[in-house]
Amino acid sequence: EAGVTQSPTHLIKTRGQQATLRCSPISGHTSVYWYQQALGLGLQFLLWYDEGEERNRGNFPPRFSGRQFPNYSSELNVNALELEDSALYLCASSFRGRLANEQFFGPGTRLTVL
Amino acid sequence: GENVEQHPSTLSVQEGDSAVIKCTYSDSASNYFPWYKQELGKGPQLIIDIRSNVGEKKDQRIAVTLNKTAKHFSLHITETQPEDSAVYFCAASIKGGSQGNLIFGKGTKLSVKP
Repeated sequence: EAGVTQSPTHLIKTRGQQATLRCSPISGHTSVYWYQQALGLGLQFLLWYDEGEERNRGNFPPRFSGRQFPNYSSELNVNALELEDSALYLCASSFRGRLANEQFFGPGTRLTVL
Repeated sequence: GENVEQHPSTLSVQEGDSAVIKCTYSDSASNYFPWYKQELGKGPQLIIDIRSNVGEKKDQRIAVTLNKTAKHFSLHITETQPEDSAVYFCAASIKGGSQGNLIFGKGTKLSVKP
């Protein structure tokens, strides 16, 4: 069974540009979560999508946005890039149910803002 | 909101020794506690988890204990091997709730010396 996949692996942008990151969940999973892993800061929750809807967002500005498609894949968009947006962006997926379910992570997209 | 503290930030042990990583959480409503292992250049890998109705769970050389009264949980690795070297993250989540996302500790870098 294929795991969570993310693309691209690396992305280099300049300040002020926009970045688009993509994630495909494990087959059968309906929830997608996005996390930012900046150096020394651990994993910070960004966004949670389930069944095409945004269910929750973390403490990040509105220039971080995304969407989930009918096939449950997801996009994370970061507008007006700033230097401090440089980080590893991780996507995780889970099967949504009444209980909190295991989240499985992809390998991440390394975003570098110059 | 939930806050997860993790200690120590770095841990160095000799091969064959045991390693213990401890986490505390603030929100008494949290009842799902996973542990992730992250190797260099990879996404976090779920290695074990525990739910609040259980006090201890084992999987071969790995065990997790949970003390809900004190709001802390620990990861125990016995007979450590060089391939256990990685960064370990604890996390907490509210069961099936409106939040869904995990709140992570800042990680422990474990080094196992041969």
